[in-house]
Amino acid sequence: GAVVSQHPSWVICKSGTSVKIECRSLDFQATTMFWYRQFPKQSLMLMATSNEGSKATYEQGVEKDKFLINHASLTLSTLTVTSAHPEDSSFYICSARQGYYGYTFGSGTRLTVV
Amino acid sequence: GENVEQHPSTLSVQEGDSAVIKCTYSDSASNYFPWYKQELGKRPQLIIDIRSNVGEKKDQRIAVTLNKTAKHFSLHITETQPEDSAVYFCAATDTGTASKLTFGTGTRLQVTL
Repeated sequence: GAVVSQHPSWVICKSGTSVKIECRSLDFQATTMFWYRQFPKQSLMLMATSNEGSKATYEQGVEKDKFLINHASLTLSTLTVTSAHPEDSSFYICSARQGYYGYTFGSGTRLTVV
Repeated sequence: GENVEQHPSTLSVQEGDSAVIKCTYSDSASNYFPWYKQELGKRPQLIIDIRSNVGEKKDQRIAVTLNKTAKHFSLHITETQPEDSAVYFCAATDTGTASKLTFGTGTRLQVTL
């Protein structure tokens, strides 16, 4: 089946630094990738949608200059949290789309900003 | 944009009983409705899905029903087992355009012995 690899699985960083999260579709080419953020005991909130070779589309309220998304190829998308602050601590999950009905999730990244 | 509401937020059932989780959506263009199970700290796992041209779908102990007119869909789990305990999310999307999944708020299911 379709597999999406997400790294790192957890990261601790100091306030003010940047963190990059990678999302790779291992055995298929993803037409679209999505980035979600999930706070404890809450639902998945879509941050942005990215298509290979084009700029990401951000959801309302998501700072595009803070959450940089690069979708360099059909198998790789990256999310960079710039100048991270404690309130950015969360569980970040990517999802890669294959065809009309295939949505495969990465394993998630637990970000803690201290 | 799409808005998905989900009820109840918590559900406790005894082992062997049935559990029902309900969702409503707002965008009549939505045509794909997956259900996910998420355990703590893990990725959401697809457990069943339904497309808008179907009213009901069943996979062993799990079934989903869709009422397009009323814009609601439900997850039914029969003969619940302790390993069914998790958080369940419904989602909706219009696969033809934006294609982004909008998730419900989640239901924490606890199956007690």
